[in-house]
Amino acid sequence: KAGVTQTPRYLIKTRGQQVTLSCSPISGHRSVSWYQQTPGQGLQFLFEYFSETQRNKGNFPGRFSGRQFSNSRSEMNVSTLELGDSALYLCASSLDTNEKLFFGSGTQLSVL
Amino acid sequence: QQQVKQSPQSLIVQKGGISIINCAYENTAFDYFPWYQQFPGKGPALLIAIRPDVSEKKEGRFTISFNKSAKQFSLHIMDSQPGDSATYFCAASWGAQKLVFGQGTRLTINP
Repeated sequence: KAGVTQTPRYLIKTRGQQVTLSCSPISGHRSVSWYQQTPGQGLQFLFEYFSETQRNKGNFPGRFSGRQFSNSRSEMNVSTLELGDSALYLCASSLDTNEKLFFGSGTQLSVL
Repeated sequence: QQQVKQSPQSLIVQKGGISIINCAYENTAFDYFPWYQQFPGKGPALLIAIRPDVSEKKEGRFTISFNKSAKQFSLHIMDSQPGDSATYFCAASWGAQKLVFGQGTRLTINP
């Protein structure tokens, strides 16, 4: 069974640009969550989608958005990038609840 | 109320020793307490989890101890090995709510 796949693995952007990250969950998983990981702040919850609907939302500005498609694949978008957005963005999938999250290897975003 | 506080930030243990990482929470609605292990370049992976109706759960060398009245739980790694060197995160959630993570503990096992 394939794991959670995130693309791309690395991204370098400049301030003001926007970026889209992609996540393919484990087959059969309907919930996809996104986390931002930084050395100083640890794992910060961004949002969770379940059956194409946002079910939970973290405390991030509106520049951070996401969506989920009918096949459960998910994308997150960050507009008007800031230096502080440099982080590892992790996607995790689960069957239904937020128990037993399976994480991808993440997308390392660097904003210059 | 949504926070999970984890300590220590870093820990060095000799091979064969016992590694202990502690977490505390405030929200009494939490009913699921997992521990995740993360190696460099990888996402976190579920290690072991516990619910408040039991005080201890053991899987191999890994044990979670849970103290509901103190709102604390801890991870014990027995006979620690160099391959256990990683960052460990405790977490908590309830119902369909988001999983809230502790700040992480970087564990180093010296050979």
